[in-house]
Formats: sequence, C-alpha cells, structure tokens
Amino acid sequence: QVQLVESGGGVVQPGRSLTLSCAVSGFAFNFSDYAFHWVRQAPGKGLEWVSLISFDGTYKNYADSVKGRFSVSRDNSKSTLYLQMNSLRTEDTAVYYCARVKEAYRAAMARVLGNWGQGTLVTVSS
Amino acid sequence: DIQMTQSPSSLSASVGDRVTITCRASHSISTYLNWYQQRPGTAPQLLIYAASSLQGGAPSRFSGSGSGTDFTLTISSLQPEDSATYYCQQSYSTPLTFGQGTNLEIK
Repeated sequence: QVQLVESGGGVVQPGRSLTLSCAVSGFAFNFSDYAFHWVRQAPGKGLEWVSLISFDGTYKNYADSVKGRFSVSRDNSKSTLYLQMNSLRTEDTAVYYCARVKEAYRAAMARVLGNWGQGTLVTVSS
Repeated sequence: DIQMTQSPSSLSASVGDRVTITCRASHSISTYLNWYQQRPGTAPQLLIYAASSLQGGAPSRFSGSGSGTDFTLTISSLQPEDSATYYCQQSYSTPLTFGQGTNLEIK
C-alpha cells in the first residue's frame, strides 16, 4: 500500500514563500518509476490541478494560475516530492494534495491520480 | 483548456436507489475520463478510470460509461457510505481539469 504524507503547510503573508513536501512510501514501490501531481482545493470549493512532474523530474507542467510562481521538484533518493510556492496570493489558500499516477510507464495512466495524500492546508493571509 | 461540466450539482436519494451523475467535456476526450469520490474531510479517491474501469477496492455497485464528450457515473444501489462529493476529471491533456463536483446526500 502506498502512503503519501504532505507537510509544510501553515499561515503565510501575501507575497511570501512556502515549500511543501510530500513523503512517499510503500511496500514493493519504486518512487522513481512514477510521475506525481499536485492538486489543491480552496475551502468549500472543488479540485484544481496545480502541477505535474515526470518520473525523472525532466518534465514539469503547471496550471496558468501558478506558472512562474510555483516550482515542483523531486528527490528520488529521499522518495520525496516538493512544491516551492513563491509570491503567494490570498487566492492560493487551499488544501494541497500530492497524488501519484495510477501506473508507471503507461502514458494513458500518466494523468490518472491513483493515490492521494491527506493534504496540507496553506492559508495566505495578512 | 478542456472544460468539464457535471450535473446535477447536488442530489438527494434514498438507500437502495439507482443514482446517475453526468459529466460533459467541452471537447472530445475519447475515454480519458476518471471519477473520484471525496467524503467530507478526507482526500479524494479514484473510483473509475478510463471512463468505465473500476478501481481496485471500489464497490461493484459503481460503474462508468461514455466516450467522446458525454459520460455517466452510476451507483446501482445507493448505500449510506456513498454520501460524498463526486468529481469527474479529464486525463486527455494538461491542464488536467475537474468538474465542479456533485454533492450526493442520503435521505
């Protein structure tokens, strides 16, 4: 069973930065085989995709709403995913989830979110 | 970007009822359509992928169908634990986009 545990959330002022982490573990699971996504959910709202990083970190993609401000990365030696968030805005307030794609090495499954973490709350407020 | 529209936004049904939720894509997405269930206070969970494939561990009362632009999620016999919000999501292209959600309440 795969486990994803996000951390790093908290209260931050507009314009400041914050880095989220997502530690991934599991039996018979090779972190470096899988792509990962970040998805967020503002309080009482729906789901919004934020970012994608490929299995080896060479391909990254972002929602327009965060492009140029957020940066996704991964450390395969630590089985950990990161989301660096700069120039935070009040509208970035949300629970941030990391999610693993359903299957490795299948392009059709690269955008299916098979396993999710419990989420970490980021509140941007003065 | 591909827009996803779900209907209804909310519904209330009784235990044992057959429930259908629909999802429409603004462009054809073949069968690159997934459904997630989110119970209150918890993370979403994958329920159906590739329009009609049941995720391992998901109850068989859940089924999905459709292709192109129109899709449905059906619960054959509603159970109390199905009280949740359901989201469709297209995996055809980035940016990934979700429907606005359907809040399912048990009467």
